[in-house]
Amino acid sequence: DAGVTQSPTHLIKTRGQQVTLRCSPKSGHDTVSWYQQALGQGPQFIFQYYEEEERQRGNFPDRFSGHQFPNYSSELNVNALLLGDSALYLCASRAGGSGYTFGSGTRLTVV
Amino acid sequence: AQSVTQLGSHVSVSEGALVLLRCNYSSSVPPYLFWYVQYPNQGLQLLLKYTSAATLVKGINGFEAEFKKSETSFHLTKPSAHMSDAAEYFCAVSTANFGNEKLTFGTGTRLTIIP
Repeated sequence: DAGVTQSPTHLIKTRGQQVTLRCSPKSGHDTVSWYQQALGQGPQFIFQYYEEEERQRGNFPDRFSGHQFPNYSSELNVNALLLGDSALYLCASRAGGSGYTFGSGTRLTVV
Repeated sequence: AQSVTQLGSHVSVSEGALVLLRCNYSSSVPPYLFWYVQYPNQGLQLLLKYTSAATLVKGINGFEAEFKKSETSFHLTKPSAHMSDAAEYFCAVSTANFGNEKLTFGTGTRLTIIP
């Protein structure tokens, strides 16, 4: 049984560009959350999607947006990239009251 | 609002010694508490979770944690450290409240095992 799958695993972008990260949740999971983990820090909550709607959002600017598809997969979009957006982006999925299962993340480097 | 404080950004223990990683939480509602482990260049793996059942929670790889409401603590322990336990450990808090189930993480504790 595949867990949470994220793509790509690594990405290098130039400041000002836009990026899209993708996440396939664990089979049977319908809720997807995204987290940003800067180097040496704990993960910070970006937002959560359920039933294709953003249900909760952390303290991130509007440059960060997302989407959830009918098959529960999700995308994270970041516009106008800044050097400070360089981080490991983690996707986590869950079903009902179960705990979150995390993917291995996408390492984004902005140069 | 919830928050977590992990005491000690770096902890070193000898192989075979007791592992104790400290976590204190703050929450205005009954919390759910979690410990996650992260190996280099990997995502987070759930070690154990407290969701208002038994206060002593047993997890994977021999780890356990005790929820102490009076001390607002959820410290992680393992009786005997193994070299494979070397990793970053994160304590996290959330709630069961609909629409407020996000995980709030601490800053992490890097565990080093001395041979």
